[in-house]
Amino acid sequence: DTAVSQTPKYLVTQMGNDKSIKCEQNLGHDTMYWYKQDSKKFLKIMFSYNNKELIINETVPNRFSPKSPDKAHLNLHINSLELGDSAVYFCASSQELNQPQHFGDGTRLSIL
Amino acid sequence: QKEVEQNSGPLSVPEGAIASLNCTYSDRGSQSFFWYRQYSGKSPELIMFIYSNGDKEDGRFTAQLNKASQYVSLLIRDSQPSDSATYLCAVNSRGGSYIPTFGRGTSLIVHP
Repeated sequence: DTAVSQTPKYLVTQMGNDKSIKCEQNLGHDTMYWYKQDSKKFLKIMFSYNNKELIINETVPNRFSPKSPDKAHLNLHINSLELGDSAVYFCASSQELNQPQHFGDGTRLSIL
Repeated sequence: QKEVEQNSGPLSVPEGAIASLNCTYSDRGSQSFFWYRQYSGKSPELIMFIYSNGDKEDGRFTAQLNKASQYVSLLIRDSQPSDSATYLCAVNSRGGSYIPTFGRGTSLIVHP
């Protein structure tokens, strides 16, 4: 059983489109995260939810909007995609804040 | 701006040697410290975490934390070629949200 699963694994789309990435965890964790890893492999936090409440909202364009329908799910919607959005997006979860994180396999987003 | 610094490497060690990976952080109020391993094209996976000053051992891995000097290190004993990967240091800063900040990673190569 996959602990943290993301879909899709690959996303290739045109500039200007809107797309969503879904994440689900079956670990019973309270906290979920979205990260962006750029071409230089730098992993940067974007958002975090704790018990469905947004607690971390780093400097991210407002074209990115997270949604957490319940504790086990955290989705990421991106409007008006730009070339610079090309990256690998990782979802992660942890038991609580300040605990070790379990990562999903990542979604590789490529903008044409 | 909270920063986590790592030498990008590559750090090359022979099989069976001890690999020493270092990380420094700027926020003196940091609470918790993590080491993740990331193979090329894969997601980060937790290796060790440490919250208190001193050493913490788990099998071939030892994490060392020195809050006064603001550094955390990871020692890998009896290095194996399968340990070849990028090692990411992550630090959670104090504050209600425990914002995780990752270093850029150190590439480790263990040669037979």
